Amino acid sequence: DAMVIQNPRYQVTQFGKPVTLSCSQTLNHNVMYWYQQKSSQAPKLLFHYYDKDFNNEADTPDNFQSRRPNTSFCFLDIRSPGLGDAAMYLCATDPGRGGTDTQYFGPGTRLTVL
Amino acid sequence: AQKITQTQPGMFVQEKEAVTLDCTYDTSDPSYGLFWYKQPSSGEMIFLIYQGSYDQQNATEGRYSLNFQKARKSANLVISASQLGDSAMYFCAMRGPGTASKLTFGTGTRLQVTL
Repeated sequence: DAMVIQNPRYQVTQFGKPVTLSCSQTLNHNVMYWYQQKSSQAPKLLFHYYDKDFNNEADTPDNFQSRRPNTSFCFLDIRSPGLGDAAMYLCATDPGRGGTDTQYFGPGTRLTVL
Repeated sequence: AQKITQTQPGMFVQEKEAVTLDCTYDTSDPSYGLFWYKQPSSGEMIFLIYQGSYDQQNATEGRYSLNFQKARKSANLVISASQLGDSAMYFCAMRGPGTASKLTFGTGTRLQVTL
């Protein structure tokens, strides 16, 4: 029944070692989002895809990249993780019909950087 | 620009009691959506309830209801008959019109349900 799936749930990487987080959805939604959430803070939007169109938030570091090879999958690549990138990474989707659409979130991937 | 304010960093409620979590918002858009999400310690962001700016009636979903006061720009979440499993962080959020518009979150309220 899971609609937005994230793998892995926990990821440990070393400082500077590239890491990829995965998100998939069974909702056939047009829009997929990636959020970063640090401890005791609200989620912060990194970027989103509307279909194949990539939209980066102005303050998202260049260290973060994303790929969406098809409707169902979206990946977050962190090229050279720093200690400050340790966080929960949340993927979300919505149909893309309008601003009152509900965003549905996956369970998140908790990233640890050693 | 949109802004969400949650003034209660933490709340306690006894099991089976009702609790209200406060949320005020600010926006210049006439059309917007208001959302509440629950985030347990596992980290998943769970959608609870939605209120549209043009909705005449307050939204309800089971034990959750949204007390929407448009003139006061408030969208408080009411949880009736609290359960131990309701202990979590609760985020109020809003988004304006337009496809893929940004979801703006408040800082959250941590709710602890006690016996």
